[in-house]
Amino acid sequence: AQKITQTQPGMFVQEKEAVTLDCTYDTSDPSYGLFWYKQPSSGEMIFLIYQGSYDQQNATEGRYSLNFQKARKSANLVISASQLGDSAMYFCAMREGPEGGTDKLIFGTGTRLQVFP
Amino acid sequence: NAGVTQTPKFQVLKTGQSMTLQCAQDMNHEYMSWYRQDPGMGLRLIHYSVGAGITDQGEVPNGYNVSRSTTEDFPLRLLSAAPSQTSVYFCASSYESGRAGGELFFGEGSRLTVL
Repeated sequence: AQKITQTQPGMFVQEKEAVTLDCTYDTSDPSYGLFWYKQPSSGEMIFLIYQGSYDQQNATEGRYSLNFQKARKSANLVISASQLGDSAMYFCAMREGPEGGTDKLIFGTGTRLQVFP
Repeated sequence: NAGVTQTPKFQVLKTGQSMTLQCAQDMNHEYMSWYRQDPGMGLRLIHYSVGAGITDQGEVPNGYNVSRSTTEDFPLRLLSAAPSQTSVYFCASSYESGRAGGELFFGEGSRLTVL
């Protein structure tokens, strides 16, 4: 069965430093997609970045990059130059099945990131 | 651009009462879904729809009912509320089901408390 594991309940980082949030996944399907979402204290879910299982390069979106290691089944989120506004809950998620299928996502339990001055 | 709109944002129910959480999107998205978020458990899929007239169950469908009569609307019905349904509910939509990089757009969430 598909599963997403986020082993870090909480992380602290100083402003302007980089931080890595861990995510491992388990699936037997060769085609899948991986997502990261941010949930600030206000509660909304904000899409950050996407990586397809067949993508050759790691995804990047501004200060966010996804360190995709397919053999290890890991999809860690790297935030460079952390800002106070990055303090939030971060969720890793996986789409079941191939592109062109459904957008059923399985979510991890999340990592709470706190950025301090 | 309203995106995904959920109502109500807060609701308190008594055990056994019924209610409907409304979800509407104005982006002409095919795919819509409902998730619940509980402390320490991330988001779990309740029901989803790949288009008008088509719905299917997710991971935790028991106690919930959905229908999709139009592309825009995807209401979630609680037929007989139970305390275990106390949660934050999110509606989400995407343009094309399964499209590469096609992220889900989420509503702001509805916080439901069942006493």
